Amino acid sequence: QVTLKESGPVLVKPTETLTLTCTVSGFSFSNGRLSVSWIRQPPGKALEWLAHIFSNDEKFYSTSLKNRLTISKDTSKSQVVLTMTSMDPVDTATYYCARVSRNPEGGKYFDYWGQGILVTVSS
Amino acid sequence: SYVLTQPPSLSVAPGQTARVTCGGYIIGGNSVHWYQQRPGQAPVLVVYDDSDRPSGIPERFSGSTSGNTATLTISRVEAGDEADYYCQVWDSASEHPEFGGGTNLTVL
Repeated sequence: QVTLKESGPVLVKPTETLTLTCTVSGFSFSNGRLSVSWIRQPPGKALEWLAHIFSNDEKFYSTSLKNRLTISKDTSKSQVVLTMTSMDPVDTATYYCARVSRNPEGGKYFDYWGQGILVTVSS
Repeated sequence: SYVLTQPPSLSVAPGQTARVTCGGYIIGGNSVHWYQQRPGQAPVLVVYDDSDRPSGIPERFSGSTSGNTATLTISRVEAGDEADYYCQVWDSASEHPEFGGGTNLTVL
C-alpha cells in the first residue's frame, strides 16, 4: 500500500524558513519510474507545483520560486524534505507531497498524494 | 495566467454528462492527466495518459484529446462528483509539470 504523509510546522513567522518532510511507504526511491514532488494550494486557489526530485537525485524547481526552495531525499528514512526560505503570508497554503509515476513514453503524473499540511504564515 | 486553460465553473444536472475542457499548446504531443479534488480533500487521479483510468475509478470517467484540447467526460453525473477538476501536463523539455486553473463542477 502506497502512502505519503507530510509533517512540519503549521505556523511559521514571516521571514522564517519552512522545513517540511514527506515520509513515504509502499514504494522505493530506487525505482527509476517513481519520484516525488511537492505541490501547494493556497486557500481557495489552484494547485501550484513547487519542486521535484528523481530517483537519481536530479532536482527541478518552480521557476518563480527556485531561489527559495531546496528539495532533498533521505533514502534510508524514505523521506523527501522541502525547505522554503523567507516565508511570507502569501505562502500560506496546504502543502502536498505526491508520488510521480512515469509512463513508457515519458509522460508523468501524480498517482498518489499525501493528505496535505496547512501551513499558515503569520506573526 | 495558466499555461493550461480550464473554464472556472460548470453546472450539470444529475444523470447528465459533464465535459470539462483543458486547452493549451503544451498539450500537443504530451499526455494529459486529470485530478478530482473534493472539498477539504487531497486531489485524486481520475484519468492518466489522456484516457486511462486508475484502478477504482468508475467507468463514468473518461478522457480524450484532440489537437491542443483535452476533455474529461463524466457520464451520468452524481452528487458525489461535485468537486474541482484539474488537468495536468508534464513538460518534458523543462521537466516542469503544469496544472490548469481548475474547474469547479456543481451538480444541480
